[in-house]
Amino acid sequence: AQRVTQPEKLLSVFKGAPVELKCNYSYSGSPELFWYVQYSRQRLQLLLRHISRESIKGFTADLNKGETSFHLKKPFAQEEDSAMYYCALSGHQAGTALIFGKGTTLSVSS
Amino acid sequence: GAGVSQSPSNKVTEKGKDVELRCDPISGHTALYWYRQSLGQGLEFLIYFQGNSAPDKSGLPSDRFSAERTGGSVSTLTIQRTQQEDSAVYLCASSPNHRGEAFFGQGTRLTVV
Repeated sequence: AQRVTQPEKLLSVFKGAPVELKCNYSYSGSPELFWYVQYSRQRLQLLLRHISRESIKGFTADLNKGETSFHLKKPFAQEEDSAMYYCALSGHQAGTALIFGKGTTLSVSS
Repeated sequence: GAGVSQSPSNKVTEKGKDVELRCDPISGHTALYWYRQSLGQGLEFLIYFQGNSAPDKSGLPSDRFSAERTGGSVSTLTIQRTQQEDSAVYLCASSPNHRGEAFFGQGTRLTVV
């Protein structure tokens, strides 16, 4: 069965500090991994996906198949990064759903 | 173009009543998902549609919950005999395919009193 684990419910950092939001997954196959973000009073939206290998708003995430991880990183946090972040997984088979972790709230203060 | 639309935005219902939540996905999106969002539980998967069929309905919490999708478009989530623990925000998302970006609606906040 596919599963996504985000071990931290809350991560509090100061502005300018590095950020790492952890995500581990379980899936017997080639998954597609995503990070979604929900800012206050806004809809949940895609932040980035592993196949794009791009940096969005300064965030990057690398898929580590050996450690089954897809941690989200940013070298210098900004106050506007404060939001709820969800890691998600989609399986390669057509009948598999998009599954989310429980989410991590990132709070960046000055 | 229009995004994913959900109605109603808010619903207050009495315990024991039935409720219907509606989702209008983005036109042409074949995949449609329902999730439940509550404090401390994150985003809980309920059911996934590919076209009109539901290859994965493993997340429905009980037989009081059911969902259908017609014409490969609109979907309705029905909760029968609502209980207080059903109170949550119900989110719908659609995607061009099962591995594509999911686009979310604004959600329906359900309160069972």
